[in-house]
Amino acid sequence: DVKVTQSSRYLVKRTGEKVFLECVQDMDHENMFWYRQDPGLGLRLIYFSYDVKMKEKGDIPEGYSVSREKKERFSLILESASTNQTSMYLCASSFSAGADGYTFGSGTRLTVV
Amino acid sequence: AQSVTQPDIHITVSEGASLELRCNYSYGATPYLFWYVQSPGQGLQLLLKYFSGDTLVQGIKGFEAEFKRSQSSFNLRKPSVHWSDAAEYFCAVGATSGTYKYIFGTGTRLKVLA
Repeated sequence: DVKVTQSSRYLVKRTGEKVFLECVQDMDHENMFWYRQDPGLGLRLIYFSYDVKMKEKGDIPEGYSVSREKKERFSLILESASTNQTSMYLCASSFSAGADGYTFGSGTRLTVV
Repeated sequence: AQSVTQPDIHITVSEGASLELRCNYSYGATPYLFWYVQSPGQGLQLLLKYFSGDTLVQGIKGFEAEFKRSQSSFNLRKPSVHWSDAAEYFCAVGATSGTYKYIFGTGTRLKVLA
């Protein structure tokens, strides 16, 4: 069964901490994405990557960075966590053509206190 | 630029009743169209997709959706809802060229009454 695995389901961090959210896919997908999900706002794209070491900003990149050193792994970094970054974070991956849809991970619920 | 609208934030139906969730999109051509379902605390699971051909597409869990170009709609339907269908449903649209990003609607939360 194909999978996108997010390393943590729940995470609690303190304001100002540097936070790493990890995502690994085993489908040899070219594209990987990080979304955050908040009630009433749906899914908002933070960053995406279409190849190793390549990245592009999404709609809400401020306060975040990403790293993709290997094809299967895409990391989201909160440089200095703030309470307004408390959210559900979803990782997804897809083949480059885009017609097959995304495969999502189970999500990481991050709370910043 | 493409966009997608799900006009219903919440829908409540009785178990065994039929269901239709609405999705309207804006795009210059026929886009890729998707419906996803999200159970509480989980990621999103693909229910079905459309990108060409027959405008009525079948998906998993007994769901179907119909693409109507004239109405720019891609509504999700199920003839008889089960209590386990209670979840949040997201419509998504993707461009057929130039980008791999999808735009998601804000979701419709379905409640099923026993």
